[in-house]
Order: sequence, then structure tokens, then C-alpha cells
Amino acid sequence: QQQVKQSPQSLIVQKGGISIINCAYENTAFDYFPWYQQFPGKGPALLIAIRPDVSEKKEGRFTISFNKSAKQFSLHIMDSQPGDSATYFCAASMEVTGKLIFGQGTTLQVKP
Amino acid sequence: DSGVTQTPKHLITATGQRVTLRCSPRSGDLSVYWYQQSLDQGLQFLIQYYNGEERAKGNILERFSAQQFPDLHSELNLSSLELGDSALYFCASSVERESYNEQFFGPGTRLTVL
Repeated sequence: QQQVKQSPQSLIVQKGGISIINCAYENTAFDYFPWYQQFPGKGPALLIAIRPDVSEKKEGRFTISFNKSAKQFSLHIMDSQPGDSATYFCAASMEVTGKLIFGQGTTLQVKP
Repeated sequence: DSGVTQTPKHLITATGQRVTLRCSPRSGDLSVYWYQQSLDQGLQFLIQYYNGEERAKGNILERFSAQQFPDLHSELNLSSLELGDSALYFCASSVERESYNEQFFGPGTRLTVL
């Protein structure tokens, strides 16, 4: 019940294309869903986050879509750039705790 | 640069040994988290401290322990090390203890157990 399942494991997208990464969770008590971006040799950094009272959140080229009934959420990267090449992690948490449960990660490669 | 510092950057040791990883949170952050990142287990939450008190525990082995000191820096102690403990260990910090407070990750300590 504590798991967050992320897919795909890896993704190759052409420059200018749309990258889509999907996550699914089981625990309906989760109420905070962040996405983290990690470059090689660096720690993860928060990219964007959503709470389940909204179905979509957009920040620049990054959008989270959230489907509460399906217990799924996804990250869309519009106009993907080579600089977006990184590993992306979805996570879920109950806000009252600080504990983040991470998905397995998706390695994104954006080809020029 | 997230403002979170971790030392050492790399650590190579032998099975059965004990090591201490150190983390200094961002100035003003009261909450510290420890995560383990490995190829097979992914990024796993170990433990959280808030203002010196343990707040939440994850999949932390009994051989591992942590503490947060009055100056808010934290240490993760790993003992009786096994080959499988080889991983990247991240420290993160946030202003408060709730998860909607952004967690800022340090650069990590790479532990290799031979």
C-alpha cells in the first residue's frame, strides 16, 4: 500500500517533443504528489508538486495531471529540450509527515 | 547548490566496519531527512528528524542510526556494514516537518563497502 509505481523506466524523445511519465499509487491517504528531477552526480531537486484537490498544475513547460479516482498522476514535459535529459522521480506523501515515497525513476534522454 | 552540505563525498570501507555520514541543513531549516539510493531499491526514505526529535522512520535497518544535534546538523551512523549497504546516501532538509515543505537535497555521500 505504500508503493508508488512509475513508468516507463526509460524514455527517449526528440527535441521539441512531449515527454510523458506516469505514476500510480495505492494508498488513498496520500495527499501530496511531487516530482523530482535528478542530474548525474547531483541530488534530486523539486520540479513541481500537486495536491489532490486539483486535476492539473502547470509551471512553464512542466504539467502534472492528476486523476484521483484512478489513483494516477503524470508529468508532461512540453517542447522537451536536451537540457531536460535527467532522471525523474514521482513521489507521494501524507502531508502531515515528511516521508516521501518515491517511484523507481524514469531516465529521460532528449535527442537534439 | 541546494545549501545542504554532506561529508564525505565518497567513502570506501570494508564489511563489518562502522561509518558516520554528516549533513548540515540549509540555514533555518529545522527538518532533516535521510534517503538511500541504490540501483535495485531506488530512492528510499530512511528517517526524519525535526528540531532534534525523531519524527518518522522508514525502511531503516537496526544497524543504522541517526541523530540531529542542537545546531541542527545530523549524522547517520551505519555499523556492521555489508556489501549491500553500498549506495548513495542523501540528506535533505526543509523548513518545517510537513511534506509540502520543499525538501532540498544535498549532493550525497557515495558509500562503497568492499
